[in-house]
Amino acid sequence: AQSVTQLDSQVPVFEEAPVELRCNYSSSVSVYLFWYVQYPNQGLQLLLKYLSGSTLVKGINGFEAEFNKSQTSFHLRKPSVHISDTAEYFCAVINTGFQKLVFGTGTRLLVSP
Amino acid sequence: IAGITQAPTSQILAAGRRMTLRCTQDMRHNAMYWYRQDLGLGLRLIHYSNTAGTTGKGEVPDGYSVSRANTDDFPLTLASAVPSQTSVYFCASGLGDEQFFGPGTRLTVL
Repeated sequence: AQSVTQLDSQVPVFEEAPVELRCNYSSSVSVYLFWYVQYPNQGLQLLLKYLSGSTLVKGINGFEAEFNKSQTSFHLRKPSVHISDTAEYFCAVINTGFQKLVFGTGTRLLVSP
Repeated sequence: IAGITQAPTSQILAAGRRMTLRCTQDMRHNAMYWYRQDLGLGLRLIHYSNTAGTTGKGEVPDGYSVSRANTDDFPLTLASAVPSQTSVYFCASGLGDEQFFGPGTRLTVL
């Protein structure tokens, strides 16, 4: 069975600073990895995903993530955040047989001026 | 606009009452899912359906039931609500590796 760990429940950062949100996963089989974003009082929307190929994945709103198989990580990064990036970010994993998606507990990104 | 709709947006319910949360999609996706979101726990899968006519249990199915009579609708029923079912409920549909989420239903059981 897969599991996902997001160690940081909350990450405060100033506007225009860089940010990294950490995600580690465990699985005995090949997986696909995802980052979802949830803005206040909204549903989740896909930010980016890793299926195969290049380990550096670029998503919407200037976010990117790097798949590191040896460290079983899929950290999310943005070089310069905006106030509008304030949201909850969820890392998720699914095995390549498209079984059930497993979510981490989420990281709240708080961007202040 | 294509997507997923959920109803109601929010609901306050007395313990012991029966409640059905509605979910409809117009993307013709075969797979549909119900999650609950609780602070510090992320999203947990309640039930899922890989195609119309079939359903399966997720991580936290107790106290909930689902049906999938057709491709578009996937209602979630709480037969006798309890306070621990206070949560935000998200419906999703899936196509291959990607899932698309509805806006959620905020349910409070008193």
